[in-house]
Amino acid sequence: DAGVTQSPTHLIKTRGQHVTLRCSPISGHKSVSWYQQVLGQGPQFIFQYYEKEERGRGNFPDRFSARQFPNYSSELNVNALLLGDSALYLCASSFSSGLYNEQFFGPGTRLTVL
Amino acid sequence: QQQVKQSPQSLIVQKGGISIINCAYENTAFDYFPWYQQFPGKGPALLIAIRPDVSEKKEGRFTISFNKSAKQFSLHIMDSQPGDSATYFCAATRETSGSRLTFGEGTQLTVNP
Repeated sequence: DAGVTQSPTHLIKTRGQHVTLRCSPISGHKSVSWYQQVLGQGPQFIFQYYEKEERGRGNFPDRFSARQFPNYSSELNVNALLLGDSALYLCASSFSSGLYNEQFFGPGTRLTVL
Repeated sequence: QQQVKQSPQSLIVQKGGISIINCAYENTAFDYFPWYQQFPGKGPALLIAIRPDVSEKKEGRFTISFNKSAKQFSLHIMDSQPGDSATYFCAATRETSGSRLTFGEGTQLTVNP
């Protein structure tokens, strides 16, 4: 079975640009979460979506937004990119929301902002 | 606010030795504590997890020790192998918060042959 897939693998943008990152969860999983992992640090929670509704948001500015589609795939959008947005963006899927379900992480999208 | 602190930042162990990674948390509402293993180019993968109603959990060569009163927990890797070389993250969450994990800073483990 395919795991969590993310696209693109790598991305280079310049300051002020906009970026869209995509995630496909494991088949049957309805919850998708996004994390930002800056080099040398642990992942930081950005969003959780379940059944197309936002269920949680971390301490990130409004430049960050996300959505989940009827097929449970998800997009993370970042506007007005800053140098500090350079990081590995991880998507994780789980079967449901509510009580903790094991999360399965994708390989991530490496974003570099120049 | 760093709610989960992890140490050491890096660790070098000889093959067959014991690797020990420590974490401390601040939020007493946390009630689920997983450990993740991350290889270069891969996303984190769940290794082992514990709830605070037990003081120890063992799965194969991996053991979590949990001290609720001290708000600390640790990962022990027995008989460490070169294949264990990876970055390890402790994490914490409230079971009712769904998927919101709070991660430690990570420990880069190197096991020399």
